[in-house]
Amino acid sequence: NAGVTQTPKFRILKIGQSMTLQCTQDMNHNYMYWYRQDPGMGLKLIYYSVGAGITDKGEVPNGYNVSRSTTEDFPLRLELAAPSQTSVYFCASSTAGTQETQYFGPGTRLLVL
Amino acid sequence: QKEVEQDPGPLSVPEGAIVSLNCTYSNSAFQYFMWYRQYSRKGPELLMYTYSSGNKEDGRFTAQVDKSSKYISLFIRDSQPSDSATYLCAMSAGGGTSYGKLTFGQGTILTVHP
Repeated sequence: NAGVTQTPKFRILKIGQSMTLQCTQDMNHNYMYWYRQDPGMGLKLIYYSVGAGITDKGEVPNGYNVSRSTTEDFPLRLELAAPSQTSVYFCASSTAGTQETQYFGPGTRLLVL
Repeated sequence: QKEVEQDPGPLSVPEGAIVSLNCTYSNSAFQYFMWYRQYSRKGPELLMYTYSSGNKEDGRFTAQVDKSSKYISLFIRDSQPSDSATYLCAMSAGGGTSYGKLTFGQGTILTVHP
């Protein structure tokens, strides 16, 4: 049981490039989330999903897109990368009914230059 | 004003000390209160979970919630070097359309030195 896995671990992007951050969970959780963590700023919710085919915006969605075609996968797409998107990105999942108990992946460090 | 305020520290204590970590919040709708622990270059992991006001104890850890003061605390007794991490408070209104949307504090960096 791997829990929540994220790829890549680290990536450097040039301004204007695009990329997809991958997230997979094997716990059959309905709820999945994407957060970003900036130094000294805690975690901010980017997007979340309550099940396959259902996604919604969080607190800081601008510049990102998501899709959820399966229960297991919740990729995050960055279009036209900007330096402001330099951050550590965490994917998390939880079950319905205990949404506050979230299981986090190891994170993806992204540097946009 | 931020919805959740947490002193970022850093906090450095000797092994065996009692540690007190605190958060204040402004949203009276918050009902679920969590403490997550995050080791360096790792994802956060849930440490304590409390619903509404009151105390909860788990081993060396005690979580307290005072909704009337909008104040939550995490106490660590007999602190160990392995407790060195960033501690994040998180809160949620729960139910309805919250869908587990958590609001996090900034995190407090704790170092316990031998």
